[in-house]
Amino acid sequence: DTAVSQTPKYLVTQMGNDKSIKCEQNLGHDTMYWYKQDSKKFLKIMFSYNNKELIINETVPNRFSPKSPDKAHLNLHINSLELGDSAVYFCASSQSDRGLGDTQYFGPGTRLTVL
Amino acid sequence: DAKTTQPTSMDCAEGRAANLPCNHSTISGNEYVYWYRQIHSQGPQYIIHGLKNNETNEMASLIITEDRKSSTLILPHATLRDTAVYYCIVRVTSGSRLTFGEGTQLTVNP
Repeated sequence: DTAVSQTPKYLVTQMGNDKSIKCEQNLGHDTMYWYKQDSKKFLKIMFSYNNKELIINETVPNRFSPKSPDKAHLNLHINSLELGDSAVYFCASSQSDRGLGDTQYFGPGTRLTVL
Repeated sequence: DAKTTQPTSMDCAEGRAANLPCNHSTISGNEYVYWYRQIHSQGPQYIIHGLKNNETNEMASLIITEDRKSSTLILPHATLRDTAVYYCIVRVTSGSRLTFGEGTQLTVNP
């Protein structure tokens, strides 16, 4: 069973479209994250949710809107896609958002290509 | 979170130990040292973490210097499947943020 899963794995779309990436974790974790890895391979945090509540919101355009219907899911919706949004997006989860030595488990990634 | 410095790339022969260094000279007392790796086209994978003492698990060993300004990740018997980018991350215990640097590309050669 996959601990952290993402769909779709690949997403190719036109500029200006709206798209969503879904993430689910079956680890019973309270905290979920979205990271973006650009073409230069830098991995940066975008958002973090703890028990459906937003706790980290990096300087991300408001075209990106995370949605957490329950603590096992954190979906990423992107409006008006731009060329610069092309990247690999990783979802992750952890037991909690603080505490000693908390470990994050990552999903397989979604490669988004905006044409 | 403290900044870390790692070599850009390293090579290792299959079956030999791979020793990956990391400098974190500005580390604070409440910051842990974490190691993750990313195999090509996959999500990052947790390896090990530590605060002061050396740590060992089924994947690797972590050696932290007494002044905590540097650490070494040791893969005791590297295999081809250990070829990956290895990230050393220093992180406060009270926060959830993982700040990834450029990491070290480890290539294990047959």
